[in-house]
Amino acid sequence: KAGVTQTPRYLIKTRGQQVTLSCSPISGHRSVSWYQQTPGQGLQFLFEYFSETQRNKGNFPGRFSGRQFSNSRSEMNVSTLELGDSALYLCASSPGRLDNSPLHFGNGTRLTVT
Amino acid sequence: QKEVEQNSGPLSVPEGAIASLNCTYSDRVSQSFFWYRQYSGKSPELIMSIYSNGDKEDGRFTAQLNKASQYVSLLIRDSQPSDSATYLCALNNNDMRFGAGTRLTVKP
Repeated sequence: KAGVTQTPRYLIKTRGQQVTLSCSPISGHRSVSWYQQTPGQGLQFLFEYFSETQRNKGNFPGRFSGRQFSNSRSEMNVSTLELGDSALYLCASSPGRLDNSPLHFGNGTRLTVT
Repeated sequence: QKEVEQNSGPLSVPEGAIASLNCTYSDRVSQSFFWYRQYSGKSPELIMSIYSNGDKEDGRFTAQLNKASQYVSLLIRDSQPSDSATYLCALNNNDMRFGAGTRLTVKP
C-alpha cells in the first residue's frame, strides 16, 4: 500500500505570497490531519478533515486554511506568508475518526519564507 | 501546564544499554497513547500504540502506561546507534497532541 504522499517536498516563497500544499492519504483512509513543525514549537496541530468536513482546528490564524476532496485528498493554504511560517508541514492520515487510530505521516513539505 | 510533557534531553546511553523515555500528560480523558520516532530531517514514524494500563512489548521496545499517574514511558532494550533519534509521545484527545520530543543518542 502506498503511504501518505505530500507535494511539493520543498518550497521557497517570499513574504506576502500564498502557498498551497497537497496531501494524498493512504488508500482507504478518510481522516487527514495537518501539522506544523518548527524547532522551537515542535509539532503543532493545524486542522483535521474527515469526509470533506473540518472536524477540529488548532490555534492558528485564519491565514491557514484547508479543504478535503471527495477522494480524501487534502490541501492546505497559507495566505500572506510571514517569515515565521517557515516550517516543515506534515500531513497525516488515519482510517477514520481519531479515536484509537494512530496517524501515518507523509514526508512533509519544507516551506521557507524569505 | 502543557498537555504532553517530555524531557527534551538530550539523553545519551551507551550501545547495548536500556534507554528510558518518559512522558506525562494532563488530560485524564485521553485513552490512546503513541510513541513516534523521528530521525533528523525525516517525518515521524509510529513505534508503539498503547491503550490500557500496563506494559506492551514489541521486540526491543516496551511501552508502559499508568493512567492513574498520567504517565507513559518507552523502554528501548539493547540500544543501537540506529536508535539515535527524537522520540515523540502523543495522545489522542479529540485530536492528536504531541510532546516536544526527547532526543536520544546511542553512543557506540
